[in-house]
Amino acid sequence: DAGVTQSPTHLIKTRGQQVTLRCSPKSGHDTVSWYQQALGQGPQFIFQYYEEEERQRGNFPDRFSGHQFPNYSSELNVNALLLGDSALYLCASSLEAGREAFFGQGTRLTVV
Amino acid sequence: QQQVKQSPQSLIVQKGGISIINCAYENTAFDYFPWYQQFPGKGPALLIAIRPDVSEKKEGRFTISFNKSAKQFSLHIMDSQPGDSATYFCAARGGGSNYKLTFGKGTLLTVNP
Repeated sequence: DAGVTQSPTHLIKTRGQQVTLRCSPKSGHDTVSWYQQALGQGPQFIFQYYEEEERQRGNFPDRFSGHQFPNYSSELNVNALLLGDSALYLCASSLEAGREAFFGQGTRLTVV
Repeated sequence: QQQVKQSPQSLIVQKGGISIINCAYENTAFDYFPWYQQFPGKGPALLIAIRPDVSEKKEGRFTISFNKSAKQFSLHIMDSQPGDSATYFCAARGGGSNYKLTFGKGTLLTVNP
């Protein structure tokens, strides 16, 4: 049973560029959440997708957007990258009615 | 605004000892309190979790103690092993239609052999 998988593992982008990160949830899970983890900090909630809709959003600017596909996989898009966007981006999947959230290994984004 | 405060920031324990990490919260709407373990370069792994109507939960060497009136909860790692060396995060789920997890800042645990 595959867990949560994210791609790519590492990414280097230039300021002002756009990036797309991808996530496949754990088998049987229908809800995907995205978190940003800065170095030495706990993960910060970006948003959650359920039934292909953004159900809840954290305190992140509109440059951060997402999508959920019918197979429950998800994308995180970040436009107009800033140096401060450099972080580990984590995807977590869960059941809509459940509380347990399982994280992927993350995508390490470096903005130069 | 940090809603979950975690301490200590770092902890050094000898092999076989007990590791204790504490968290405090203010939002009484939180309805689920998980602990995650994270190794360098990896995503957080769910370790153990508790609901606020339970005062203690044990799974193997890991125990959560929960004090609802004090709005505090803690992770105890018994018989700590060098392989337990990692960063530990407490978290709290918003409750109701608030699905987000709010994390503490983490505790770097080092278990010396």
